[in-house]
Amino acid sequence: DAEITQSPRHKITETGRQVTLACHQTWNHNNMFWYRQDLGHGLRLIHYSYGVQDTNKGEVSDGYSVSRSNTEDLPLTLESAASSQTSVYFCASSDNTDTQYFGPGTRLTVL
Amino acid sequence: KNEVEQSPQNLTAQEGEFITINCSYSVGISALHWLQQHPGGGIVSLFMLSSGKKKHGRLIATINIQEKHSSLHITASHPRDSAVYICAGAFLGNEKLTFGTGTRLTIIP
Repeated sequence: DAEITQSPRHKITETGRQVTLACHQTWNHNNMFWYRQDLGHGLRLIHYSYGVQDTNKGEVSDGYSVSRSNTEDLPLTLESAASSQTSVYFCASSDNTDTQYFGPGTRLTVL
Repeated sequence: KNEVEQSPQNLTAQEGEFITINCSYSVGISALHWLQQHPGGGIVSLFMLSSGKKKHGRLIATINIQEKHSSLHITASHPRDSAVYICAGAFLGNEKLTFGTGTRLTIIP
């Protein structure tokens, strides 16, 4: 069965370290998204991609980067982790029908 | 500005009750999504609608384009319906989703 996976599911890191969160989908979807979820806020878009070599900034992109070298993967990198980036991160993918399929989430703690 | 607001923020009901969760949005949308987030954190898409009504089992979603309002109804609620329900709008000219903050539903046996 097609699916979308994220790894790791939990991560603890220190401020200033570089962290990469993986997202992998087997639906062959062109569109992929990264969100963060914090108490008191809805899901907020960090970065998104509409296809290979395409990446775009979302509303909370500062301190994050993505790259899209193939259809299946959209890794999210925190260049220099900050405590404000402690959050739960969700990856999602969609085809042109717009329904988004979400990964299980990664809980990141920055100490 | 594209905004999505949900009400109530929290809702507790007895098993069997009819549940309504409301969502309003600021400007025109191309589609309105309802999602469910389980206590374990997983997010599942329930409905995507741009007009009228959709039904899946005990869940019904409606949208009124003129009033910029959507509702999610649950009939014969059950404790397993306890979750956070999130609405999100795909605004015209912008394919990305804007999410509400969610409604936490608790169904008591």
